[in-house]
Amino acid sequence: VQLVESGGGLVKPGGSLRLSCAASGFIFGDYSMNWVRQAPGKGLEWVSSISGGGAYIHYAESVKGRFTTSRDNAMNSLYLQMNTLSAEDTAFYYCARDVYSTGEALSRFDYWGQGTLVTVAS
Amino acid sequence: SFELTQPPSVSVSPGQTASIMCSGDKLGNKYASWYQQKPGQSPILVIYQDTKRPSGIPERFSGSLSGNTATLTISGTQSVDEADYYCQAWASNSFVFGTGTKVTVL
Repeated sequence: VQLVESGGGLVKPGGSLRLSCAASGFIFGDYSMNWVRQAPGKGLEWVSSISGGGAYIHYAESVKGRFTTSRDNAMNSLYLQMNTLSAEDTAFYYCARDVYSTGEALSRFDYWGQGTLVTVAS
Repeated sequence: SFELTQPPSVSVSPGQTASIMCSGDKLGNKYASWYQQKPGQSPILVIYQDTKRPSGIPERFSGSLSGNTATLTISGTQSVDEADYYCQAWASNSFVFGTGTKVTVL
């Protein structure tokens, strides 16, 4: 199993960025996927989840209405479109695999990518 | 909103036992997972469903749940166990991470 994030970088406040997560080594569509972020020196914050088939998508309140999660199971890829970015969105963004196809009480994240850094600054 | 609270830091001598607690309202009705994160690395899962250990995780890592408090215990702590530890639970179609605990092996 391998998860590789890309697309991070420096963006101005109010700008947009699209992150990608390339998955390999497992049947991508069988698993729910998540985005988790970590501001430098801070704790983990769950951002979003998307079910294996893509029908169920959930967001943290802090990003709802600004971020959009999607996936392309044919391309084994997960995406995070981030709009109206602010300094508070500066963080490492990780994609993480859930052991189930939809998030539930028994869910946990068994594989994580290496993360991609998003810096929002003027 | 659902929150999980952990102590900011725990110090332990090599070979001794470290206990990290995670408390949250109605956590007893949910399942807790625990993640270890070393500096510059991605988190790894060390405990799930309160007490279960993924393959490859040393037996010195164990978990328990009592009331609304989950506990991660590291028995015979080694220097390689020095890291940040986070609890996690699922609630209302979202995931919540604890505030994190830095374990220092003195």
